Amino acid sequence: EVQLVQSGAEVKKPGESLKISCKGSGYSFTSYWIGWVRQMPGKGLEWMGIIHPGDSDTRYSPSFQGQVTISADKSIGTAYLQWSSLKASDSAMYYCARHFRVATVAYYFDYWGQGTLVTVSS
Amino acid sequence: EIVLTQSPGTLSLSPGERATLSCRASQIISSSYVAWYQQKPGRAPRILIYGASRRATGIPDRFSGSGSGTDFTLTINRLEPEDFAVYYCQQYGRTFGQGTKLEIK
Repeated sequence: EVQLVQSGAEVKKPGESLKISCKGSGYSFTSYWIGWVRQMPGKGLEWMGIIHPGDSDTRYSPSFQGQVTISADKSIGTAYLQWSSLKASDSAMYYCARHFRVATVAYYFDYWGQGTLVTVSS
Repeated sequence: EIVLTQSPGTLSLSPGERATLSCRASQIISSSYVAWYQQKPGRAPRILIYGASRRATGIPDRFSGSGSGTDFTLTINRLEPEDFAVYYCQQYGRTFGQGTKLEIK
């Protein structure tokens, strides 16, 4: 069974750093891209970026480029999303999702993590 | 960057009725790369439709997708109580539309 299990909720202060995780199991972790999606309170889904754990090829949305870092450790089947200096506006739910990606066939997120709630407040 | 615009923002219907949700792209996109998701409160999104018209595993056949070019549609026939949720379209596994909330009338 494919599963993506995310790390738990975080409460941080502005200016602090943070790294949240997403552990994949039940499939070949290095064969599928992993994406990150932000959902601010009461708002829609925002695509942040994706990473291919096999070679760490990473693509960012222009809106998030330079604001976050996406990485992966294929040895432990885990993807990460990190901030070097959090802002209050980073408070949101963050989802990881497996990216089904076959050219000319389909691109979509087929499995999702349960979400990690990040709260940034002084 | 391609922008997806969903309409209506909110759709109020009764169980048993048909829902028609629209997703319009700012430029032509291949239907292979259009997906629809359902999200219920407090839950992660769930894939419903990919390739514009292909139902994901386990999705009831009352859900159907169609469209091409810049205009795509998600249709839900014979609404069940569990179908009331927020629906998002997505293109190329990247940007999402802003969502349509399907609420009980």
